[in-house]
Amino acid sequence: DTAVSQTPKYLVTQMGNDKSIKCEQNLGHDTMYWYKQDSKKFLKIMFSYNNKELIINETVPNRFSPKSPDKAHLNLHINSLELGDSAVYFCASSQGRGLQGHTFGSGTRLTVV
Amino acid sequence: AQSVSQHNHHVILSEAASLELGCNYSYGGTVNLFWYVQYPGQHLQLLLKYFSGDPLVKGIKGFEAEFIKSKFSFNLRKPSVQWSDTAEYFCAVSPNDYKLSFGAGTTVTVRA
Repeated sequence: DTAVSQTPKYLVTQMGNDKSIKCEQNLGHDTMYWYKQDSKKFLKIMFSYNNKELIINETVPNRFSPKSPDKAHLNLHINSLELGDSAVYFCASSQGRGLQGHTFGSGTRLTVV
Repeated sequence: AQSVSQHNHHVILSEAASLELGCNYSYGGTVNLFWYVQYPGQHLQLLLKYFSGDPLVKGIKGFEAEFIKSKFSFNLRKPSVQWSDTAEYFCAVSPNDYKLSFGAGTTVTVRA
């Protein structure tokens, strides 16, 4: 059983398209996250949700809209994709504020052409 | 500004050599500290973590880290590396606000 699973694993799309990435965790955690890893492998928080409520939105463009239908799911929808959105997007989960660390998904490699 | 700094961008060493990766942070107050490893093409895995107590923490795969509060440092060590330790290593800080702040990562290449 994969603890944090995200789909798809790879996503290649054209500029201007809209795409979604899905994430599910079966750890019973109440907090979920999206992180972006750029081409230099630098990891940065995008969003965090606790009990379906948005806690952190780290100055991410409005084209990115997370949705958490329940505590076990956090999806990421991206409108009007740009070349600069190409990256690896990691979903993660934790209990509470994440003081015990996060459990990460395997990542979605998004390539915008 | 609050930040996490990893001293080495790329480390190349031979099997059986000792490894030490530096990490410094600039957050005030209490923080929780982590080292994550990312093997090529894979997700991040937790190597070890420090919350309180003994400043020398042991993790998986023979890794350990030492927290030195006065130096705001949390350096990662392994006495004898293997080829399979080739990976990206990330230091991270959790300053109690629903996120991890990562350093820029250190690429470790172990030559057989």
